[in-house]
Amino acid sequence: QSLLTQPPSASGTPGQRLTISCSGSRSNIGMNIVSWYQQFPGTAPELLIYLNNQRPSGVPDRFSASKSGTSASLAISGLQSEDEADYYCAVWDDTLNVVLFGGGTKVTVL
Amino acid sequence: QVQLVQSGPEVKKSGGSVKVSCKTSGYTFISYTITWVRQAPGQGLEWMGLISPTNNNTNYAQHLQGRVIMTTDTSTSTAYMELRSLRIDDTAVYYCVRGGTNWLDPWGQGTLVTVSS
Repeated sequence: QSLLTQPPSASGTPGQRLTISCSGSRSNIGMNIVSWYQQFPGTAPELLIYLNNQRPSGVPDRFSASKSGTSASLAISGLQSEDEADYYCAVWDDTLNVVLFGGGTKVTVL
Repeated sequence: QVQLVQSGPEVKKSGGSVKVSCKTSGYTFISYTITWVRQAPGQGLEWMGLISPTNNNTNYAQHLQGRVIMTTDTSTSTAYMELRSLRIDDTAVYYCVRGGTNWLDPWGQGTLVTVSS
């Protein structure tokens, strides 16, 4: 069981706005930078968000993220079929001295 | 462009060891930490540890301490991850990634390690 809690699944229809939560604690999200990764089946994860809310070049602005206290969230607006993937949050934990990954959220576009 | 290219798939017996390589290009190797992450079949991402090519300082996940060794070769800009005393549940895709405690980018293509009895 991951110390970063994500819903195992989320779904929406095309065009909808979808939000994925990532819940942690003071020693991780509360103190450090959150990043998000997108992974399609059979491929390596890719950086989607860094520095809590920054998009690397090439990532559509439909993807946004935020952090508040000990929780973070990823939002996908204008959901598209190509957004079907697994999404992971990640953050350093000051107490454990490890990078924690959330358990991952499988996004399905209905 | 920045690339991390990993060695090919491996099949090992339990109790044995495996060494995965990660050849980097497109950036100054010693300027960035290398992190290793693994993913068991159908499971999520698991952080294994990291290494700084500058001084070879490492930080391993506690449950892998004593079984994992991460090294780098600055002459070839290559990172290595060796896992010993392999168990069936070490079967996973192993990824090397540029980056350390803040964000991880880019990722290698992954190396499937299959451990059989």
